[in-house]
Amino acid sequence: GAGVSQSPSNKVTEKGKDVELRCDPISGHTALYWYRQSLGQGLEFLIYFQGNSAPDKSGLPSDRFSAERTGGSVSTLTIQRTQQEDSAVYLCASSFERGIRETQYFGPGTRLLVL
Amino acid sequence: KNQVEQSPQSLIILEGKNCTLQCNYTVSPFSNLRWYKQDTGRGPVSLTIMTFSENTKSNGRYTATLDADTKQSSLHITASQLSDSASYICVVSDSGTYKYIFGTGTRLKVLA
Repeated sequence: GAGVSQSPSNKVTEKGKDVELRCDPISGHTALYWYRQSLGQGLEFLIYFQGNSAPDKSGLPSDRFSAERTGGSVSTLTIQRTQQEDSAVYLCASSFERGIRETQYFGPGTRLLVL
Repeated sequence: KNQVEQSPQSLIILEGKNCTLQCNYTVSPFSNLRWYKQDTGRGPVSLTIMTFSENTKSNGRYTATLDADTKQSSLHITASQLSDSASYICVVSDSGTYKYIFGTGTRLKVLA
């Protein structure tokens, strides 16, 4: 079956521009996560959606970052006024439901480069 | 502060050899520990999940161990193959927030 897909796979933008990253989770998965992976760093949690509940935004690094999940499926991560330090791989993951044995399935990521 | 540290940072071995990767954590209260494999340019893929009461879990040639008392885990790879070349990431979840704390990974290179 189809896994988690993300688009675009690569994005190059100029400092100060806004970017939108898209994630299509596995059908039927209620939990969706966004992570950021910077060079040489571990994955950094950004935001978590669970069903229709209010998202956990505690990992968003600044108010330039926002995300939404429409209809409990597709999610979009938006970065406004991009900065060079935003350059990283942005990974999306989904799972059937959050729990002690939850398995998160990751997409291939979007590689963002801010010039 | 909740942290996950992995060692070595990188490792090169010959095909067919065994290797062991280490993970130490300070996450508390502990919920579970996972090992992921991440191929270059791909997202991580789950290998094993262990809870507090489990001290070993196998997945093919991968065997993970957990010592919750010393807060240490290891991932042992048996009879390595070229396709094992990847980053291996240790992830620990705390039972209070269910937040995942990721290690920086061990980059394994298997040579023919």
